[in-house]
Amino acid sequence: EADIYQTPRYLVIGTGKKITLECSQTMGHDKMYWYQQDPGMELHLIHYSYGVNSTEKGDLSSESTVSRIRTEHFPLTLESARPSHTSQYLCASSASGRSRTGELFFGEGSRLTVL
Amino acid sequence: AQSVAQPEDQVNVAEGNPLTVKCTYSVSGNPYLFWYVQYPNRGLQFLLKYITGDNLVKGSYGFEAEFNKSQTSFHLKKPSALVSDSALYFCAVRDTRQGATNKLIFGTGTLLAVQP
Repeated sequence: EADIYQTPRYLVIGTGKKITLECSQTMGHDKMYWYQQDPGMELHLIHYSYGVNSTEKGDLSSESTVSRIRTEHFPLTLESARPSHTSQYLCASSASGRSRTGELFFGEGSRLTVL
Repeated sequence: AQSVAQPEDQVNVAEGNPLTVKCTYSVSGNPYLFWYVQYPNRGLQFLLKYITGDNLVKGSYGFEAEFNKSQTSFHLKKPSALVSDSALYFCAVRDTRQGATNKLIFGTGTLLAVQP
């Protein structure tokens, strides 16, 4: 089992609230990622980080923001949640280096519902 | 453009029958290929990968996948399906060419439904 943890697993909040989804990994991985998964199943990369103090936007534009102050921690924040943010959010990490094959290790996901 | 295709949104198979979930890719060079499984309300779990060598790779839960370079395919297979195999399956590819990003390119997913 991969050691990557997401909290909360489920969250129901009202419009306009600020929320932070937590993601932590204990594998010492440099690379971390946030994916958004719609009910239609497809995964969309919204943020990634290749190390401390390094964050990049992914392929799908998102109003969320991320930070990477510590290697093991990669939280995602929505300043003002809206119903369109309702989705499943998956955090993942991978090891770097030439000998690594790049597979991702995923957390269990955070299912966000905005009313 | 680099891409991964899973042509079937859903695959239905009877328990005990062999199953195949298809994946083709459009990435130059010698990409790394992966299969992941996602059970309801869970994250993705790594099943298997192809890096180099034998075209038939074996993975978790009795799954295997066959790499075919000429057809640019990496189909997931299992000789005898179980009801518990019912889940969402994702194929992914990593471009290994110099200068490429480390990001995995995911397919759109295939829902496998195994009937008792």
